[in-house]
Amino acid sequence: AQSVTQLDSQVPVFEEAPVELRCNYSSSVSVYLFWYVQYPNQGLQLLLKYLSGSTLVESINGFEAEFNKSQTSFHLRKPSVHISDTAEYFCAVSPNYGGSQGNLIFGKGTKLSVKP
Amino acid sequence: DGGITQSPKYLFRKEGQNVTLSCEQNLNHDAMYWYRQDPGQGLRLIYYSQIVNDFQKGDIAEGYSVSREKKESFPLTVTSAQKNPTAFYLCASSPDRAVYNEQFFGPGTRLTVL
Repeated sequence: AQSVTQLDSQVPVFEEAPVELRCNYSSSVSVYLFWYVQYPNQGLQLLLKYLSGSTLVESINGFEAEFNKSQTSFHLRKPSVHISDTAEYFCAVSPNYGGSQGNLIFGKGTKLSVKP
Repeated sequence: DGGITQSPKYLFRKEGQNVTLSCEQNLNHDAMYWYRQDPGQGLRLIYYSQIVNDFQKGDIAEGYSVSREKKESFPLTVTSAQKNPTAFYLCASSPDRAVYNEQFFGPGTRLTVL
């Protein structure tokens, strides 16, 4: 069975500091990888995704994530965070069974709290 | 504007009552999903539908029911059989269920059982 582990439930950081939110997955098949962000009392928004090609993917607001197949990880990083980055971040995987259809499997989320 | 709407934003229910949560999308997506979110537990899939008049159980379907009579609408009914219904409910859609597709989420409905 596939699973997603987000190793930190809460990450407090100071503004302008770097941050890494960790995500590891377990899967017997290849996967597609996603990071979603949820601001308080809102739905989720896609932050970035890895489908194929370059293992480093970037978002428009400065986040990046690197797919590491050997370590089955897809950690999210930002070199300098802002107060507005305070949110909950969810890692998700979509197993590719070869039939081309499937559902997302979400991690339990990491709450990023950026302090001034 | 294209998107997903959920109503109501907040919903209160007495024990023993059924309640229906609305989800509408104007993205022309075939696939729609319902998730339940509890603090510290991430999102868990309740039901999904990949086409009109078809839907499948997700991981935690017990105590819930859905219908998909129109492409743009996927209402969720929380029945009295659901033992712990207080949660945040999220509806999502995607063009289809292809594994590489992202899902688009509504703003959610927070259900509280009194």
